[in-house]
Amino acid sequence: DGGITQSPKYLFRKEGQNVTLSCEQNLNHDAMYWYRQDPGQGLRLIYYSQIVNDFQKGDIAEGYSVSREKKESFPLTVTSAQKNPTAFYLCASSAGTGQSEQYFGPGTRLTVT
Amino acid sequence: SQQGEEDPQALSIQEGENATMNCSYKTSINNLQWYRQNSGRGLVHLILIRSNEREKHSGRLRVTLDTSKKSSSLLITASRAADTASYFCATAPFSGGYNKLIFGAGTRLAVHP
Repeated sequence: DGGITQSPKYLFRKEGQNVTLSCEQNLNHDAMYWYRQDPGQGLRLIYYSQIVNDFQKGDIAEGYSVSREKKESFPLTVTSAQKNPTAFYLCASSAGTGQSEQYFGPGTRLTVT
Repeated sequence: SQQGEEDPQALSIQEGENATMNCSYKTSINNLQWYRQNSGRGLVHLILIRSNEREKHSGRLRVTLDTSKKSSSLLITASRAADTASYFCATAPFSGGYNKLIFGAGTRLAVHP
């Protein structure tokens, strides 16, 4: 089956620890994205990547980092510098530009205490 | 920056009734997309309407776009309990270079049997 996988589904961390969220796609899409969703709100773009070895900051990149070493993978690290990391994180990919249809993974719910 | 704003924030209807959700935006767009999100899951793309289109249909879904009023509506006809979800509009702003989707806060739809 083609699609996007994110792991784990739930993640718990202590304050001050870095944590890496996994995102893998087998859709052969060039572009990949990370969004953050807070309760009752829309999605906010953290980082995006149009091609391997290249990525750009989105609207709320502070406290986050990414890498894009392989076409299939776009991991997100939530660093201790992120002031309010508890949220639902969604990864997506698209075949075309950022304005084409995006395919989403199931999400990772991160809780930091 | 949040460009698309959905209205109403929440909608509760009976099975068989029609559901209408609206989206307003502020700047010129290349296209507008509607997504659905079941509770705790990723988003699923429903329909994309381009700026030069006025209406689009997909099964029980009907989307309209009025660029003069900077607004769109999503109509779900003959609703079912399985349509219970949050619905988001996402706008693709018209500007130079790489562009992204900007998501609204969504409309929570509850369809009661």
